[in-house]
Amino acid sequence: SQQGEEDPQALSIQEGENATMNCSYKTSINNLQWYRQNSGRGLVHLILIRSNEREKHSGRLRVTLDTSKKSSSLLITASRAADTASYFCATDLLYSGAGSYQLTFGKGTKLSVIP
Amino acid sequence: NAGVTQTPKFQVLKTGQSMTLQCAQDMNHEYMSWYRQDPGMGLRLIHYSVGAGITDQGEVPNGYNVSRSTTEDFPLRLLSAAPSQTSVYFCASRPWTSEETQYFGPGTRLLVL
Repeated sequence: SQQGEEDPQALSIQEGENATMNCSYKTSINNLQWYRQNSGRGLVHLILIRSNEREKHSGRLRVTLDTSKKSSSLLITASRAADTASYFCATDLLYSGAGSYQLTFGKGTKLSVIP
Repeated sequence: NAGVTQTPKFQVLKTGQSMTLQCAQDMNHEYMSWYRQDPGMGLRLIHYSVGAGITDQGEVPNGYNVSRSTTEDFPLRLLSAAPSQTSVYFCASRPWTSEETQYFGPGTRLLVL
């Protein structure tokens, strides 16, 4: 089953505006990651936030994590047409005893930035 | 580094045919995995491997086999293709620790008629 769920499913904004996407998850995590996928391409890692971190920045990206609410948000400031893509959150779960880490993806938010 | 490579880019199969999707990485990553991506479903884990000789099932393993004879290669085999396996398949790799990101291949688009 899907661990992470993004909200909204689709988002359309004007160039220069900020875009906010949310992700909720169900079980405890080691870290949460955001990925970007341009149409027809593979996923590209954007940012990783650990379970003991609350906020992280990378360029125009700002990610927050609230483990008590099991939620995260991705903010893209001053959006550009080139930011048009699908954005996925992925949670990194530790299966104790197996020593194996699995990354579980949500269904994604499709962002359209209109020039 | 070439990163994660996948072949073929696109494949059409008839129901019942078998085929192997190839995946290779040159980053010496221990962990490799296969996902399928369907519209509205996001990415779902098919199989994964934590090292040569070790594989395990993910969320949707039925109809697929994997093996890991070397660190570099992780092929995905469709035993008897079905229309429900029409999807885009992504291979990914990452180092062993949990504090690392995954690197994705460009994907293989599969159509089963």
